[in-house]
Amino acid sequence: GAVVSQHPSRVICKSGTSVKIECRSLDFQATTMFWYRQFPKQSLMLMATSNEGSKATYEQGVEKDKFLINHASLTLSTLTVTSAHPEDSSFYICSAILGTINYGYTFGSGTRLTVV
Amino acid sequence: GESVGLHLPTLSVQEGDNSIINCAYSNSASDYFIWYKQESGKGPQFIIDIRSNMDKRQGQRVTVLLNKTVKHLSLQIAATQPGDSAVYFCAESQIQGAQKLVFGQGTRLTINP
Repeated sequence: GAVVSQHPSRVICKSGTSVKIECRSLDFQATTMFWYRQFPKQSLMLMATSNEGSKATYEQGVEKDKFLINHASLTLSTLTVTSAHPEDSSFYICSAILGTINYGYTFGSGTRLTVV
Repeated sequence: GESVGLHLPTLSVQEGDNSIINCAYSNSASDYFIWYKQESGKGPQFIIDIRSNMDKRQGQRVTVLLNKTVKHLSLQIAATQPGDSAVYFCAESQIQGAQKLVFGQGTRLTINP
């Protein structure tokens, strides 16, 4: 079945630094990728939708200059948390679809970000 | 619908009993719904889906019911097992258009031996 590989699984960074999270679709071309953030004991909150070769569409309240999303190829999307602060500590998860949702949404395994 | 920053409600059931997890959605334009299971520290795992042209769909030990009139989904798990302990989320989307998947609040299911 379709697989999305997300790296790193865990990362600890110092406050003020930037962190990049990668999501790769291993056996299909992901025309659209979604990025979510999940705080402890809460649901997944959609941050943005990215389509290959175009700018990401951010959800209301999500700072696009802080959470940089790049979807340069059909198999790779990256989320960069810039100038990270402790309140950015969260579980970040990507999801991908191939063309339409008829083939379903495939999720990465998530990245636990801790900013110290 | 859009998730809010509330802590997850919890459902406790005895092993072997049936579980029913409920979800309300808010977007009347949504026509595709999915139930996910999430274990600690992992991404969501697909359980079952349903389209708006159906009101019931069955899988192995799971059944999803959709009531479009009141915008309500439920997930029934038959003969719950210890491995069913997890957080369960409903999610909604539209088959056409942006296709973004929006998650509901979630319910933590705990199985008592």
